[in-house]
Amino acid sequence: SQQGEEDPQALSIQEGENATMNCSYKTSINNLQWYRQNSGRGLVHLILIRSNEREKHSGRLRVTLDTSKKSSSLLITASRAADTASYFCATDGNDMRFGAGTRLTVKP
Amino acid sequence: NAGVTQTPKFQVLKTGQSMTLQCAQDMNHNSMYWYRQDPGMGLRLIYYSASEGTTDKGEVPNGYNVSRLNKREFSLRLESAAPSQTSVYFCASSEALRWGGGAKNIQYFGAGTRLSVL
Repeated sequence: SQQGEEDPQALSIQEGENATMNCSYKTSINNLQWYRQNSGRGLVHLILIRSNEREKHSGRLRVTLDTSKKSSSLLITASRAADTASYFCATDGNDMRFGAGTRLTVKP
Repeated sequence: NAGVTQTPKFQVLKTGQSMTLQCAQDMNHNSMYWYRQDPGMGLRLIYYSASEGTTDKGEVPNGYNVSRLNKREFSLRLESAAPSQTSVYFCASSEALRWGGGAKNIQYFGAGTRLSVL
């Protein structure tokens, strides 16, 4: 079973718009990570947020974590065509599980 | 700057054939993992190795075996391939085991092996 569940499954936006993806999980965690996967490639780590943090920024990425709701969101601001990829959350508690991902398409 | 290297990149097998997927990392990481990725399923852990000399089952170990040959190499073997094992296989490594390590359990992935079993 998957620990992290991303929502939406697919998202299509225009270049320059913001993209928001959500992740829900079921059990307590130590931290939560977000990864990106370009088509035909392996996953690449984007950002890690610890369970005692509420928000974290890295460049155009903003991640929030609400442990009371067991949810996290990834915001990509001013999206670019190169951001087209699948995005996965991975939770890290007693076990580490990846969700099924959100497929983001950014149209030029 | 190789990171995690997987071979082969593509493979087609007939049902019942065997093969070994190879994985090597050059980051001096202690922990290594094998995942499979199927459409709509995300990544599912097959086996992992917390450190050299140890291996443990993950979520979907049936039909697979692994060997942690040394600190760098972690191989995945299919003894008798079945069509249900058609998938994309990813190897990953991290400095520490998956949970509780904070930044040390950030995983680095190989490019994947696309396996078709006919």
